[in-house]
Amino acid sequence: GAVVSQHPSRVICKSGTSVKIECRSLDFQATTMFWYRQFPKQSLMLMATSNEGSKATYEQGVEKDKFLINHASLTLSTLTVTSAHPEDSSFYICSATRDLEPYEQYFGPGTRLTVT
Amino acid sequence: QKEVEQNSGPLSVPEGAIASLNCTYSDRVSQSFFWYRQYSGKSPELIMSIYSNGDKEDGRFTAQLNKASQYVSLLIRDSQPSDSATYLCAVIIIQGAQKLVFGQGTRLTINP
Repeated sequence: GAVVSQHPSRVICKSGTSVKIECRSLDFQATTMFWYRQFPKQSLMLMATSNEGSKATYEQGVEKDKFLINHASLTLSTLTVTSAHPEDSSFYICSATRDLEPYEQYFGPGTRLTVT
Repeated sequence: QKEVEQNSGPLSVPEGAIASLNCTYSDRVSQSFFWYRQYSGKSPELIMSIYSNGDKEDGRFTAQLNKASQYVSLLIRDSQPSDSATYLCAVIIIQGAQKLVFGQGTRLTINP
């Protein structure tokens, strides 16, 4: 149990365009979903926390107008990188928690974004 | 002081030996601690969680927690080459809302 999927797994886009990444909990309802970013040889950095039906909470330094998060259902959250630039190239990973284990986060496989 | 600190390694251990990974954290009120394994190019995989002082064993893995010393460790017995990965220590930090904070990770290599 506790499987999280992400789509796409890899995306290349041109500078100035927008990219949407989907995160789904496949076999459980996710109380909360999280979005992380990881640059090469660095650890995961939390970008935002989202709960179904409410606005996401962004970490300090993360632009909410650039990284749009929608959490429309208990099994789906989306991250849209708007007007992407090369410095947004990174590994974006979502995670989800479930009611039974509110502190244990289960991670999706990640999306590698390259902005050219 | 970083919220969660790990030695970045690399840590090299011969196959069959015990690998010992260490982590310290700064938030004295933290109650929830996790070890994740991350293979190169992949996302983290939860391997252990620990909430109480003492040891918690799961197969070849043992997590140890000492809240007084703000220290958590992971022991891997009978190390296998497939254990070679980066191990991330993560702690729930309470700053208003609860947030999972990761250490920088320790790169472990098991030598056949």
